Parts: sequence; structure tokens; C-alpha cells
Amino acid sequence: AQSVTQLDSHVSVSEGTPVLLRCNYSSSYSPSLFWYVQHPNKGLQLLLKYTSAATLVKGINGFEAEFKKSETSFHLTKPSAHMSDAAEYFCVVSDRRNTGNQFYFGTGTSLTVIP
Amino acid sequence: GAVVSQHPSWVICKSGTSVKIECRSLDFQATTMFWYRQFPKQSLMLMATSNEGSKATYEQGVEKDKFLINHASLTLSTLTVTSAHPEDSSFYICSASLRRKYEQYFGPGTRLTVT
Repeated sequence: AQSVTQLDSHVSVSEGTPVLLRCNYSSSYSPSLFWYVQHPNKGLQLLLKYTSAATLVKGINGFEAEFKKSETSFHLTKPSAHMSDAAEYFCVVSDRRNTGNQFYFGTGTSLTVIP
Repeated sequence: GAVVSQHPSWVICKSGTSVKIECRSLDFQATTMFWYRQFPKQSLMLMATSNEGSKATYEQGVEKDKFLINHASLTLSTLTVTSAHPEDSSFYICSASLRRKYEQYFGPGTRLTVT
């Protein structure tokens, strides 16, 4: 079975400070993992994805995430927050054995950036 | 590449009427399309999965007679909300995927308001 736990429903950081959004997953097979960002009243934008290549994945807008199999984690980080990073972030797992390509969403983390 | 569009982006309808939302893959042929519903401040909830030329598979608790899904071609899926009620007001997001590609490509969403 697949599932995703986003450990923080809300995170607040000051502009220019690091961002850490935590995600733990459960997957019975080799997972694909994704981070998406959603701004208010907008669709989902892919930030980055892990699909079995390098464990440290770099994405857009300075975000990166590290796949740690031993910890079943895929935390999202950014060295320096920008005001435009304020949004909702979703961690997603897909079981690559699942030919239906079904996604399992976390409950989301709302990021606030304080000026 | 892998662009998905939705139409309309927002719609207001009166209670008791039906409304159709289109989801198109613009530059690829989607073997599977997914429909999600998202309430304010919540994560995406999968409503149904549809494969081209087959009947959609609905998630538990989703009324198939109320939310009619048609996937007539490899580039188009439609969601029709029949006899809409105010509680059907929500943000509806579609996505599309390719066989053996463990990724979904999301549309920008449709905001439905039922008055």
C-alpha cells in the first residue's frame, strides 16, 4: 500500500531563511516521488521528481529534495525563501509497479513567508 | 511538452442544471486521465480514473450517476456534473498520463460555483 505523510500542515519562515517541508512515504515497491506547488486558485505545478536516478533531486526555483530510502523520507528544501514561495505544497508518491499510475497525495503544507 | 488544458477555467451554474468540464492533452496522447476534486485548504481527492474507450473507475463514495465521465479519445475526457447542487461547488482538476510513464500531468483546474 502507498501513503504519504506531510508532517507539518503549516510552516512559516522569514524571507531569506531556509525552507524545510517534511514528507514521509510508505510504498510496497520502488516509489516515484514528486513535489508540487499550488498557488491560490491555480493548478498544480511540478517542482521536482524522483524516479530512481540520483537521490538528490534538483527542481525549479531553487528547490531540491533528497530521497532517503532508509528513512522513507523525501523532504523538500530551499536555502533562501522568497516571498513568491508562499503557497501550498503537496508531496506525492506513485508506485512504479502500479501500471494505473495512481498518485497518492499528502495532505499538503501551507508555506507562509514573512517579510 | 505534456500540456493539459481544462475548459472552462471557472463556471457558475444554477442549482439543478448540468455542467460539463473538458480536459484535453494538447501535445500527447493520454492513455489514462484522472479527475480530482479539491475543497478549500484541502488536498486533492481522486474521484475517478478513466482509460480511453473504457468506462471510468470511480472511487468509493463518488456517485457515478452524478459525475459522468467520458473518455472518448486519447486527447479528451469530460466530466459532467448532473443536477448540480451548491455542495458540488468545488475546484475540479484533471490530469493525464502515458502508459508506463509514472507521472501525471495536471490541468489548471476548473472552479465550479453552484448557486
